[in-house]
Amino acid sequence: KQEVTQIPAALSVPEGENLVLNCSFTDSAIYNLQWFRQDPGKGLTSLLLIQSSQREQTSGRLNASLDKSSGRSTLYIAASQPGDSATYLCAVYILTGGGNKLTFGTGTQLKVEL
Amino acid sequence: ETGVTQSPTHLIKTRGQQVTLRCSSQSGHNTVSWYQQALGQGPQFIFQYYREEENGRGNFPPRVSGLQFPNYSSELNVNALELDDSALYLCASSLLVARGNTDTQYFGPGTRLTVL
Repeated sequence: KQEVTQIPAALSVPEGENLVLNCSFTDSAIYNLQWFRQDPGKGLTSLLLIQSSQREQTSGRLNASLDKSSGRSTLYIAASQPGDSATYLCAVYILTGGGNKLTFGTGTQLKVEL
Repeated sequence: ETGVTQSPTHLIKTRGQQVTLRCSSQSGHNTVSWYQQALGQGPQFIFQYYREEENGRGNFPPRVSGLQFPNYSSELNVNALELDDSALYLCASSLLVARGNTDTQYFGPGTRLTVL
């Protein structure tokens, strides 16, 4: 059974700091990995999708890496801003029956302070 | 291009009641997946529908059921509501070209269900 773990569970940093969020998964037989952002009480906003053949993806101040062999992914946020405060979720795509499903971690709650 | 929409936004029910949640998939998508997110947890996979057939199911009891319509919209039904059913229910749509394809899932805003 695939399990996804995110460390740390919560993080508080001053504005402007660079930070790294960690995600690990137990079964390396994943296809894609996706990072999401969730604001309190809201749905999921997709940040970055890394396909299984890729090692990283970048979008603006965000960079996500994937190492399937070690079962790890990291999300790097450069020059953090108060607007980055949210919960960040990591999820892996695995096959189920004839389709696919996402298995999520429990998230890292980020607070960026002025 | 219309994104994934869900209705209602919020819902309050009492134990034992039945509820139906609705999801309209993104234009061009043929697959809908449902997830349950309890407070402080990551979303948990409930089931997926592809071309009106169930295409994978998570660890949920039979009182949680679903349906997909010819226009690829979907419903999630929960009978005999329990307090633990209180959660955010998320719907995601995607385009499966063939079974086993791992196309990206796009999420709706969710329905917040509270069971009293």
